[in-house]
Amino acid sequence: AQSVAQPEDQVNVAEGNPLTVKCTYSVSGNPYLFWYVQYPNRGLQFLLKYITGDNLVKGSYGFEAEFNKSQTSFHLKKPSALVSDSALYFCAVRDSGGFKTIFGAGTRLFVKA
Amino acid sequence: DAGVIQSPRHEVTEMGQEVTLRCKPISGHNSLFWYRQTMMRGLELLIYFNNNVPIDDSGMPEDRFSAKMPNASFSTLKIQPSEPRDSAVYFCASSFERGRSSYEQYFGPGTRLTVT
Repeated sequence: AQSVAQPEDQVNVAEGNPLTVKCTYSVSGNPYLFWYVQYPNRGLQFLLKYITGDNLVKGSYGFEAEFNKSQTSFHLKKPSALVSDSALYFCAVRDSGGFKTIFGAGTRLFVKA
Repeated sequence: DAGVIQSPRHEVTEMGQEVTLRCKPISGHNSLFWYRQTMMRGLELLIYFNNNVPIDDSGMPEDRFSAKMPNASFSTLKIQPSEPRDSAVYFCASSFERGRSSYEQYFGPGTRLTVT
């Protein structure tokens, strides 16, 4: 069975500082990994994905994520946080042999000016 | 592209009434998903269609819930009869899947359902 864990309910960071939102996963086959962002009263919005290839994936709005197979992690990062990055972030995983994408519980990011 | 379209955006109904939520996926996408989001349970997959065929409905809570996809551009999620515990935000999402080309999902704005 596949699963995804986001160990932090909330992450607080000051504007201009680097941010990291953590994600670990478990799948039986090769993982397809995703990050989505949700702003208030909106649907989830795709940020980036890892399917295969380079372990460092770059996405929208300056976000990037690093796939670490040995640690089964896919942490989301940004070098310099903006107040407008404040939102709910979801990590998601899909087994390469399956069709179902499992979403984490979400991590709320607060960026303080 | 207009993205995934859902209607209505808000629905308030009384317990026992029938509720129908509607979704128009992105043109060309061949997979459609219905999700429910609540504070307590997070984001739950209710049902998944591929090429208009229901593939997995194991997340549908009970027989009161049903979903259809009569063609590639339209899907409905129906709750009959509705109960207060069905109150949630319901999202529709679509994606194009073939081989390893793309698996990200595009979400609609959601329908906020309140059952009193």
